Amino acid sequence: EPEVTQTPSHQVTQMGQEVILRCVPISNHLYFYWYRQILGQKVEFLVSFYNNEISEKSEIFDDQFSVERPDGSNFTLKIRSTKLEDSAMYFCASSLYISTDTQYFGPGTRLTVL
Amino acid sequence: SQKIEQNSEALNIQEGKTATLTCNYTNYSPAYLQWYRQDPGRGPVFLLLIRENEKEKRKERLKVTFDTTLKQSLFHITASQPADSATYLCALDLSGYALNFGKGTSLLVTP
Repeated sequence: EPEVTQTPSHQVTQMGQEVILRCVPISNHLYFYWYRQILGQKVEFLVSFYNNEISEKSEIFDDQFSVERPDGSNFTLKIRSTKLEDSAMYFCASSLYISTDTQYFGPGTRLTVL
Repeated sequence: SQKIEQNSEALNIQEGKTATLTCNYTNYSPAYLQWYRQDPGRGPVFLLLIRENEKEKRKERLKVTFDTTLKQSLFHITASQPADSATYLCALDLSGYALNFGKGTSLLVTP
């Protein structure tokens, strides 16, 4: 069964450094998402992406964040200058149609900012 | 503001019993509602989607109801098994492009 994959599974970085989190969505899916989950809190929406542009973003997704689909398979989330409060699990998801369709989540990248 | 409330207390039940989890929402008129399962350190896994014009939906041992008047969804697992132990998340569409998740309810099924 096709699945969303994410790399790395765990990323440790120093405050102020840039990180890139990578995702390979399910191959025929058209919509891509990033969510995050701070330890003990709920899963929070960051951004959705369709047709090579952002379709929606939350208040969390400020100028420090960017997304890109550099080729036909990868979908990346970049945090330019990490803060301590960026420490969280970051989940990539994809869906065939808009969010009225099932979203399939990857296993997550645990980001630790020191 | 839009809110989703799930029982924050863990639900402990005995194997073989039916587990019932509740999701209440306010300031919402969702077109659909989804339930996901999340295991520790893992991503959410989709279970069921129910639309506003559907009262009930079933999938194997799972059943979801959706009452748009009460603004509530109930999620049932019948004949529960220890493998059903996990956190169950309710999610509503924010805008057509995003899901808004509840905090989830932890379910523990003991043999």
